[in-house]
Amino acid sequence: DAGVTQSPTHLIKTRGQHVTLRCSPISGHKSVSWYQQVLGQGPQFIFQYYEKEERGRGNFPDRFSARQFPNYSSELNVNALLLGDSALYLCASSLFPGTGNTEAFFGQGTRLTVV
Amino acid sequence: DQQVKQNSPSLSVQEGRISILNCDYTNSMFDYFLWYKKYPAEGPTFLISISSIKDKNEDGRFTVFLNKSAKHLSLHIVPSQPGDSAVYFCAASRISGATNKLIFGTGTLLAVQP
Repeated sequence: DAGVTQSPTHLIKTRGQHVTLRCSPISGHKSVSWYQQVLGQGPQFIFQYYEKEERGRGNFPDRFSARQFPNYSSELNVNALLLGDSALYLCASSLFPGTGNTEAFFGQGTRLTVV
Repeated sequence: DQQVKQNSPSLSVQEGRISILNCDYTNSMFDYFLWYKKYPAEGPTFLISISSIKDKNEDGRFTVFLNKSAKHLSLHIVPSQPGDSAVYFCAASRISGATNKLIFGTGTLLAVQP
């Protein structure tokens, strides 16, 4: 079975540009979460989506947005990129959004570099 | 406001010995705790979890201990193997919450020496 897949694996963008990151969850998983991991820190929660609806949002500016599609895949969009947005962006999928087993399975991440 | 703290950035252990990784949390609402392992260029991999109704959970070489009164948990790896060398993240969440938002610590780099 395929795990969580993210694309692209690496990309370089210029300040002020826009970026779209993509995630396909594990088959059967309906919840997708996005995390940002800056070098030297733990992952920080950005969004969670379940059944195409936003279930939670972390402390990130409105430049960050996301959506989930009918097939449960998801996109993370970041507008007006700043140097500080350079990070590893991780997608995690889980069966349910919160109750019971909260184990999340992570993809390999997308390494975004803003220059 | 760091709600989950891993105060040891790194740990070096000899192969075959015990590795003990520590984690402290401040939010008493957390009731589910997880450990993840991360190799370079890979996403975190789930290792083991524990709910607040337990004080110990064991899975093979990995055991997690939870001390709710001290708001402290630890991960024991026995015996340690060179393949265990990775960054270990402690994470906390609320089972009853609307999301499974995980709050991560900053990680501990474990190096197991052959």
